[in-house]
Amino acid sequence: KQEVTQIPAALSVPEGENLVLNCSFTDSAIYNLQWFRQDPGKGLTSLLLIQSSQREQTSGRLNASLDKSSGRSTLYIAASQPGDSATYLCAVTPRPSGNTPLVFGKGTRLSVIA
Amino acid sequence: DVKVTQSSRYLVKRTGEKVFLECVQDMDHENMFWYRQDPGLGLRLIYFSYDVKMKEKGDIPEGYSVSREKKERFSLILESASTNQTSMYLCASSPATGLLNYGYTFGSGTRLTVV
Repeated sequence: KQEVTQIPAALSVPEGENLVLNCSFTDSAIYNLQWFRQDPGKGLTSLLLIQSSQREQTSGRLNASLDKSSGRSTLYIAASQPGDSATYLCAVTPRPSGNTPLVFGKGTRLSVIA
Repeated sequence: DVKVTQSSRYLVKRTGEKVFLECVQDMDHENMFWYRQDPGLGLRLIYFSYDVKMKEKGDIPEGYSVSREKKERFSLILESASTNQTSMYLCASSPATGLLNYGYTFGSGTRLTVV
């Protein structure tokens, strides 16, 4: 059964730092991997989606990489800002059926200190 | 802007009540999902649906049922609410397999408290 792990569970950094959030998954048979952001008491907002054939995706200050063979993904945030404070969740869509629901990690809670 | 809309942000219900949580999407997505989210446990899948009138059990279906009479609407039903169903409930939708490059879209969540 696919399992997704995110380390660390919580992270506190000063404003301006570049940082990396980690995600690992146990089965490399995936359709895609998606990174989400969740603010306290709110729903999930999709940040980046990487197809299994891709190595990385970029959006503004965010860059997500995927190494399917090793079962790892990283989310890189450049020049962090207090507004980046949130919980970041990683999720994979397992094969063989694309209708198999997302499997989530438990998230990394990020605090960016001004 | 495409959306998944959950009918209530906050809900307070009494033990034993029948509770309906509604979710509507405007993206013509085939797949819809209901998750609950609890501190320390992460997101757990309750039920999902591939198509109208189709439903599949997720990891924690006990105490819940669902209804999907129209493609755009997926309802979660708590048959007899209990205090251990106090939680944040999240609805999501996604396109069919061939269009998975578009990923999942989530609603804003419903915070349900059962007293």
